[in-house]
Amino acid sequence: DTEVTQTPKHLVMGMTNKKSLKCEQHMGHRAMYWYKQKAKKPPELMFVYSYEKLSINESVPSRFSPECPNSSLLNLHLHALQPEDSALYLCASSPTGGLVGYTFGSGTRLTVV
Amino acid sequence: QKEVEQDPGPLSVPEGAIVSLNCTYSNSAFQYFMWYRQYSRKGPELLMYTYSSGNKEDGRFTAQVDKSSKYISLFIRDSQPSDSATYLCAMRDTGNQFYFGTGTSLTVIP
Repeated sequence: DTEVTQTPKHLVMGMTNKKSLKCEQHMGHRAMYWYKQKAKKPPELMFVYSYEKLSINESVPSRFSPECPNSSLLNLHLHALQPEDSALYLCASSPTGGLVGYTFGSGTRLTVV
Repeated sequence: QKEVEQDPGPLSVPEGAIVSLNCTYSNSAFQYFMWYRQYSRKGPELLMYTYSSGNKEDGRFTAQVDKSSKYISLFIRDSQPSDSATYLCAMRDTGNQFYFGTGTSLTVIP
């Protein structure tokens, strides 16, 4: 299995809703990431987990809450989002060292109304 | 100054042309260099990665790294309409963080 699987593929939520994005990989990668990507922009790093511990939080607002329940799963909990949070949310994984890049999921396209 | 600079394009070429995509960087700590292809509304897909100066070839794709000039390139030979996508360069130091270029939008016209 060489894939990163993200669900759902599309999500529309109101500003008062609570929702979660899910990410799963079975490649044995011990680093997992959440990125946010706006149209025609590169991915922006949000969070990095290394060995299931949060190692980088790029000053992301608290309405985004990551969770890494085990080495294969990564969640992003969403609450009280704003319309400007609408974007493609990408999960990625990589080995914690070595000569390889990220493997990205296909992303969740989030629209906040 | 951004860590990684990439011309956003857009770049439009006829089918069969050789495409050259480039990035420059400022951080000497970058050791690993990657190129990603991203189709519209999809996640980025890793195309090539390398860590040394020189060329690495994979089919129609050649990645070139010049660490002394802090410059990397991706060449696409015999370009096809299916190569139409945004190409992102990415770089990594010894840690777990990657630094992306802004992406170059490429259209290959049949």
